Amino acid sequence: GQQLNQSPQSMFIQEGEDVSMNCTSSSIFNTWLWYKQEPGEGPVLLIALYKAGELTSNGRLTAQFGITRKDSFLNISASIPSDVGIYFCAGQSGSSNTGKLIFGQGTTLQVKP
Amino acid sequence: DTAVSQTPKYLVTQMGNDKSIKCEQNLGHDTMYWYKQDSKKFLKIMFSYNNKELIINETVPNRFSPKSPDKAHLNLHINSLELGDSAVYFCASSQVAQTGQFFGPGTRLTVL
Repeated sequence: GQQLNQSPQSMFIQEGEDVSMNCTSSSIFNTWLWYKQEPGEGPVLLIALYKAGELTSNGRLTAQFGITRKDSFLNISASIPSDVGIYFCAGQSGSSNTGKLIFGQGTTLQVKP
Repeated sequence: DTAVSQTPKYLVTQMGNDKSIKCEQNLGHDTMYWYKQDSKKFLKIMFSYNNKELIINETVPNRFSPKSPDKAHLNLHINSLELGDSAVYFCASSQVAQTGQFFGPGTRLTVL
């Protein structure tokens, strides 16, 4: 079945540093989504990308939909302690109209004040 | 205002019991989903309903039965609970199938 490879698996950085994580797939997706999950809560949608090549920002977060449709990255600039959490990429295939999301394994981010 | 809500937040039960988890969304969305998150935090879709009609049914044991009384509610009933059912279950919704999904706070199910 379809799989997403998300990397890195975890990051431990100093406050103020920039962060970059990415997802790759062996198959094409028509939609890429990035979520953040904090302990005891559900994933929160950060950025949605619907077009190949699209670059979208949400505050200090920037995400891009790869031209090949098989990858996406998320950057966080000037990290702060509240950025701590697990970041998930998710892709939707255009081959069906079911809304089925395939999730990456997650990137756990820790920020040292 | 809560967009996607689930009850209960925590559910602890014995093996073999039957339990239900309820989900409601007040976003006016047409499509609702159930996901399972395992101990390694991996999220996997279980079911999807569009306007009360089942459109995704992944390879989930038939002990799991979703029910959608209307398009704002999607409940999950689980029969004969097993130890391996222990996980966090998330409900989600989206306006249409191909847009971003909004998740509820999750229900942590522990089967003893």
